[in-house]
Amino acid sequence: AQKITQTQPGMFVQEKEAVTLDCTYDTSDPSYGLFWYKQPSSGEMIFLIYQGSYDQQNATEGRYSLNFQKARKSANLVISASQLGDSAMYFCAMREGTNFGNEKLTFGTGTRLTIIP
Amino acid sequence: NAGVTQTPKFQVLKTGQSMTLQCAQDMNHEYMSWYRQDPGMGLRLIHYSVGAGITDQGEVPNGYNVSRSTTEDFPLRLLSAAPSQTSVYFCASRLPGRAEQYFGPGTRLTVT
Repeated sequence: AQKITQTQPGMFVQEKEAVTLDCTYDTSDPSYGLFWYKQPSSGEMIFLIYQGSYDQQNATEGRYSLNFQKARKSANLVISASQLGDSAMYFCAMREGTNFGNEKLTFGTGTRLTIIP
Repeated sequence: NAGVTQTPKFQVLKTGQSMTLQCAQDMNHEYMSWYRQDPGMGLRLIHYSVGAGITDQGEVPNGYNVSRSTTEDFPLRLLSAAPSQTSVYFCASRLPGRAEQYFGPGTRLTVT
């Protein structure tokens, strides 16, 4: 079974609009972490935001926020006031267990976001 | 700090050849990992290490070897390259207890 599902292969959004990228996950481990990474056309993987399963509040980092709905097992990325530089591939990922000794990050297949001027 | 560096950036191999992909980090990160990225499949973990002298297998370890003799370096060896190993390879590192991994720029490998 897919552990991370990203159902939007591609999205087109007008510049300055907000955008939500969907991610659902599947785990039976009560302790886990959820991540979003950005991969621009240049190819590098850029860490954007992290949410721990026990975190009470949704994570925010500048224009990025993670809409964490634990009961629905969803971890959507919200980008406010989109910019042309936001055009990239976005990956959702999960680490089951704690942040000690467990290196397995499971990635989704990604969403290609294109910002239209 | 250079962060995570990978060499080479590009490599073409013939089937059956061997080579080593280099990865180094200067952030004193104990944890290091190798991933491969294939079109439409996201990244998959090949091998990882939680410290010098300690390595373990990830999701797709077959055909690859690793060793970790120092904190800084984590090379990935392809013993006998196959076309199925054509991919982009990423090395990553992080501190224990910290969530975020820092990725290198990647190595694009083609096996003909």
